[in-house]
Amino acid sequence: SQTIHQWPATLVQPVGSPLSLECTVEGTSNPNLYWYRQAAGRGLQLLFYSVGIGQISSEVPQNLSASRPQDRQFILSSKKLLLSDSGFYLCAWSVQWGQGIDTQYFGPGTRLTVL
Amino acid sequence: RKEVEQDPGPFNVPEGATVAFNCTYSNSASQSFFWYRQDCRKEPKLLMSVYSSGNEDGRFTAQLNRASQYISLLIRDSKLSDSATYLCVVNPPIYNQGGKLIFGQGTELSVKP
Repeated sequence: SQTIHQWPATLVQPVGSPLSLECTVEGTSNPNLYWYRQAAGRGLQLLFYSVGIGQISSEVPQNLSASRPQDRQFILSSKKLLLSDSGFYLCAWSVQWGQGIDTQYFGPGTRLTVL
Repeated sequence: RKEVEQDPGPFNVPEGATVAFNCTYSNSASQSFFWYRQDCRKEPKLLMSVYSSGNEDGRFTAQLNRASQYISLLIRDSKLSDSATYLCVVNPPIYNQGGKLIFGQGTELSVKP
């Protein structure tokens, strides 16, 4: 069966510090991968998605970046964190069945607080 | 207009009640639809897909009305454990590549004893 891992689970970082969040998926090949952010009391905002190694699409211009160095590894990074980067970061993977029909499965998330 | 809109609630209901959530979407060519459940400070989890003919899973019934562009979720005989935020999710065809989904803001449900 497929599983998705994220770490760390929680993180407290000062403004201006770098960030690296990691997500890995097991039990599937060539998944679509996604990074979302959920601010307190808000909905999910899609940040990046990837359909393959080295292929990254950005949804929202900001000081974050993503990379996919391996098929089942997705990394979210920042060189300098802002206060507004605080939130709940979720990684998800999907399988595509039929035409344009995808079900996404989420990792446990990383709760980031920027002080 | 938001792509996916939900009543944020909260819906406060007693145990055993029947509660219904509605969701509207803006892209009439959207192809697939889902309901996710998100517990407090947890990740969203797929509750059920929504099919054109409507579908039922135990106490949960999902309906799709393409003409009116809305999706509904009915929960019968509510349990305390049903307390959560319910997310309406749409997969519009223009986002076919990468299988991006559009999430509503969520409807909060609180079931009281």
